[in-house]
Amino acid sequence: AQSVSQHNHHVILSEAASLELGCNYSYGGTVNLFWYVQYPGQHLQLLLKYFSGDPLVKGIKGFEAEFIKSKFSFNLRKPSVQWSDTAEYFCAVSYSGTYKYIFGTGTRLKVLA
Amino acid sequence: GAVVSQHPSWVICKSGTSVKIECRSLDFQATTMFWYRQFPKQSLMLMATSNEGSKATYEQGVEKDKFLINHASLTLSTLTVTSAHPEDSSFYICSASGGGTNNEQFFGPGTRLTVL
Repeated sequence: AQSVSQHNHHVILSEAASLELGCNYSYGGTVNLFWYVQYPGQHLQLLLKYFSGDPLVKGIKGFEAEFIKSKFSFNLRKPSVQWSDTAEYFCAVSYSGTYKYIFGTGTRLKVLA
Repeated sequence: GAVVSQHPSWVICKSGTSVKIECRSLDFQATTMFWYRQFPKQSLMLMATSNEGSKATYEQGVEKDKFLINHASLTLSTLTVTSAHPEDSSFYICSASGGGTNNEQFFGPGTRLTVL
């Protein structure tokens, strides 16, 4: 079955630290890839997405992600986190030919001021 | 563009009653709508996929008689939780897709259901 893994369940960082959150998906052909953020008590917001082209994708709020096809990965990065980045981050994958999104289990990020 | 709304944003009901949640695509026609469920501190789990004018396709383990989905128009889908019980308390999120090459989904803000 197709699946998405986020290995870091909880991450705690100090402000200005660099961030990298892992996302791996199972093989299934052509994929579209997404990162969403959910701030406490709020709804999902799209951070960035990859459909095709340049594998390094830049999103909002200074986030970026790199699609590495050979590793089935789409890791999220931010060079310097802020306290306001405290949230839960979800990776999602949709496979070609299907409308469905498969979400990872999420990574809860806490940034200490 | 691509805004999806949900109503209500939160609802509290008594056990045994039914609750209807609406999902609307405000500025595009949604050929496909999706309903997800998110338990506290967990990820989104797809419940069902609905296409306008046809029956919804439910994921394994989701009771179709309990979670009634109607997608009567290209801008509106409804989820009715019938005979709700406390274990149905959750965050229900819809998304809508207008099709296109990438079938991108646009997410609503969610509805928090609490069953007493």
